[in-house]
Amino acid sequence: SAVISQKPSRDICQRGTSLTIQCQVDSQVTMMFWYRQQPGQSLTLIATANQGSEATYESGFVIDKFPISRPNLTFSTLTVSNMSPEDSSIYLCSVEAGGGQINEQFFGPGTRLTVL
Amino acid sequence: AQSVTQPDIHITVSEGASLELRCNYSYGATPYLFWYVQSPGQGLQLLLKYFSGDTLVQGIKGFEAEFKRSQSSFNLRKPSVHWSDAAEYFCAVTSSGGYNKLIFGAGTRLAVHP
Repeated sequence: SAVISQKPSRDICQRGTSLTIQCQVDSQVTMMFWYRQQPGQSLTLIATANQGSEATYESGFVIDKFPISRPNLTFSTLTVSNMSPEDSSIYLCSVEAGGGQINEQFFGPGTRLTVL
Repeated sequence: AQSVTQPDIHITVSEGASLELRCNYSYGATPYLFWYVQSPGQGLQLLLKYFSGDTLVQGIKGFEAEFKRSQSSFNLRKPSVHWSDAAEYFCAVTSSGGYNKLIFGAGTRLAVHP
């Protein structure tokens, strides 16, 4: 398994500003994922972040809006840029761990973002 | 495209009653299926997973799920619900995108009456 922490746990931000969310894992992992959970909705994958390469973004998400860093095998950041109220969501990071053909994904506690 | 359907948005059961949460998937190949639980203010916790083999899988907290290929279903069950089981439950399937991208259903919110 993997233990994941996120900072901040929640924040309230003004329209037009940016927020960087940190994700820290207690072990080295190859793949990290960032998800968005809009109010009352399910989780949607934003991007996959591998150490040493550019993040891979899903349809509907772009690097200018959600830049991601992955400086090492235990850490990643997601920035929500030029925020609007529509960006109010829970942002979760997850990692693959466990070995084998299909690894399990373990999730952090999430960052609850409210944009005014 | 792969998809997951959870037909029940909200379910209410009495404490001690049995529970079944439905999940149907659309996937071209052999699916890898997961059930996650999200308690209020918490992240997601993996309850159980199906990769292959025995179609009845046991998970944590007394949950089990049965994979039925003929029905494209992976329903979650628990024989006796506890008040602490009140939470949101998500069914998920991996995609075939070359990495283990999870596709989630819309979720089922479970309320437990005392």
